[in-house]
Amino acid sequence: QQKVQQSPESLIVPEGGMASLNCTFSDRNSQYFWWYRQHSGEGPKALMSIFSNGDKKEGRFTAHLNKASLHVSLHIKDSQPSDSALYFCAVGKGTNTGKLTFGDGTVLTVKP
Amino acid sequence: GALVYQYPRRTICKSGTSMRMECQAVGFQATSVAWYRQSPQKTFELIALSTVNSAIKYEQNFTQEKFPISHPNLSFSSMTVLNAYLEDRGLYLCGARAPDTEVFFGKGTRLTVV
Repeated sequence: QQKVQQSPESLIVPEGGMASLNCTFSDRNSQYFWWYRQHSGEGPKALMSIFSNGDKKEGRFTAHLNKASLHVSLHIKDSQPSDSALYFCAVGKGTNTGKLTFGDGTVLTVKP
Repeated sequence: GALVYQYPRRTICKSGTSMRMECQAVGFQATSVAWYRQSPQKTFELIALSTVNSAIKYEQNFTQEKFPISHPNLSFSSMTVLNAYLEDRGLYLCGARAPDTEVFFGKGTRLTVV
């Protein structure tokens, strides 16, 4: 059964700093990887996805995937207080299923 | 844009009673709907996955007898929590997707059992 683990549990970065979030997964047949962000009182919203090994950049956000080492990460450059939220790594197999396995989340706090 | 609405947003039910929650997809066809429960500690548990033209698949520790789900068309799904007890409390999230899209989540139904 897929296990997804995130680290750190919580992270505090200064405004303008770089936040790095990590995620490891156990199933080598995993095919797609999402980062979701959840603000208090809201449902999770997809930030970005990555399907291939390497880096994927979208604005201030860069995701990195290394399937061989079962690792995916998210880096947030020039962090803003509005980035403060709970971040989840979600891993799935197959593009036509809604089944995702979520990590336990990283709480990011960006201090002004 | 694609949106998922869930209602009610919050509900309180007495221990041993049942409550029904609904999920509506707007702006896309929800060929796949997954129901999750997020604990007070924020961890996710997948309850079941419903995909068009397939039987609803329940995860270990969750059964149709306890969490019956209906997915009658490509825009609507509902789930009932039967005989709710304290351990059933949490935020119930509906995640819906069309083929090759992200999973869109609603804001959830928060269940409190008293």
